[in-house]
Amino acid sequence: EAGVAQSPRYKIIEKRQSVAFWCNPISGHATLYWYQQILGQGPKLLIQFQNNGVVDDSQLPKDRFSAERLKGVDSTLKIQPAKLEDSAVYLCASRGILAVGELFFGEGSRLTVL
Amino acid sequence: GNSVTQMEGPVTLSEEAFLTINCTYTATGYPSLFWYVQYPGEGLQLLLKATKADDKGSNKGFEATYRKETTSFHLEKGSVQVSDSAVYFCALEVPGNNNDMRFGAGTRLTVKP
Repeated sequence: EAGVAQSPRYKIIEKRQSVAFWCNPISGHATLYWYQQILGQGPKLLIQFQNNGVVDDSQLPKDRFSAERLKGVDSTLKIQPAKLEDSAVYLCASRGILAVGELFFGEGSRLTVL
Repeated sequence: GNSVTQMEGPVTLSEEAFLTINCTYTATGYPSLFWYVQYPGEGLQLLLKATKADDKGSNKGFEATYRKETTSFHLEKGSVQVSDSAVYFCALEVPGNNNDMRFGAGTRLTVKP
């Protein structure tokens, strides 16, 4: 079974530029999460999708961050314009309907904003 | 709100030493508790879980017991190996609360031969 795929693995941009991250969850997983992990901290939930609908985006900075999950499969997280404090690893995770607590994570996309 | 607090790292141990990583939680309702592990260069993966009070989760020689009276879920291993070097995250989820998984800050463990 293929795992959660994310790209790009690394991205370096200047502040005020834009960036997009892509995630392909495990096949059949209805729930998809985007987390932000700043160095030395635990993952912080940005947005949660159930199929193609948003379940929770209360911690997403909507003035600069956006995310979509068209067709309930792949998802894209965009940051525009980026700030220095957005430097972090962006983690995508997915979960099947019957799995209690087990999130499957991708390897993450590391963003550096200069 | 729901949150977990982990002991700060990093933790450095010699091979075959005993490991304890402390985790306490704050939650409304009845959370499920988890330990995730992140090996170098890999994504987070579930290590073990416990879904109700007094449950013990175990995997790969690691154990953690869900203690409601002390709101704790400490991770233990009797004899660590070099291959256990990783970052360990305590996490909780309150069922029905959008299944929102909350993570601790992580504890980096280094095991030396």
